[in-house]
Amino acid sequence: KNEVEQSPQNLTAQEGEFITINCSYSVGISALHWLQQHPGGGIVSLFMLSSGKKKHGRLIATINIQEKHSSLHITASHPRDSAVYICAASNYGGSQGNLIFGKGTKLSVKP
Amino acid sequence: EPEVTQTPSHQVTQMGQEVILRCVPISNHLYFYWYRQILGQKVEFLVSFYNNEISEKSEIFDDQFSVERPDGSNFTLKIRSTKLEDSAMYFCASSSRLAGIYNEQFFGPGTRLTVL
Repeated sequence: KNEVEQSPQNLTAQEGEFITINCSYSVGISALHWLQQHPGGGIVSLFMLSSGKKKHGRLIATINIQEKHSSLHITASHPRDSAVYICAASNYGGSQGNLIFGKGTKLSVKP
Repeated sequence: EPEVTQTPSHQVTQMGQEVILRCVPISNHLYFYWYRQILGQKVEFLVSFYNNEISEKSEIFDDQFSVERPDGSNFTLKIRSTKLEDSAMYFCASSSRLAGIYNEQFFGPGTRLTVL
């Protein structure tokens, strides 16, 4: 059974700071997803990656398959980045890509 | 930009009643999912659906739950006899799939179910 662990659980930053959120998983995966959940509850997919690194605007996601570890970085953080960031893994094994979620990291960026 | 929609946004029901949560996935997507999130907890997989049948389901998805794609656009989750512990946010998601590669899932805004 795959377990997805995230750290930190809570993170407070000052506007402009560089932020890193970490994710580790216990077994092989087909893809690793980073999602953003806003206070209203809606979930938005940020990245899906199975190797290397992806960048979108101020967000960067990396994955190390050997170490079973992924990071989400936010450069020049802004109060509007405040949200819960969730790491989720798609398993191998014939499943149709259903996701196993971490508990999320609650990010608060202060102006 | 195409999006997944869900109705209602909030459903309040009495324990023991049946509820149907509705989702309209993105039109050219082939895989559909239901997830739930109990308040303060992580999101959990319930069921995946492809080619008009369940692909996989979790332990949570017991006989009280069912899913259906009654027409070409809607995807529904039915809870036959709701329990207090069914109170949660329910998310629908859909994805396409190309050449055996899993693609990202697009989530709906969720339906908050409150069982009294």
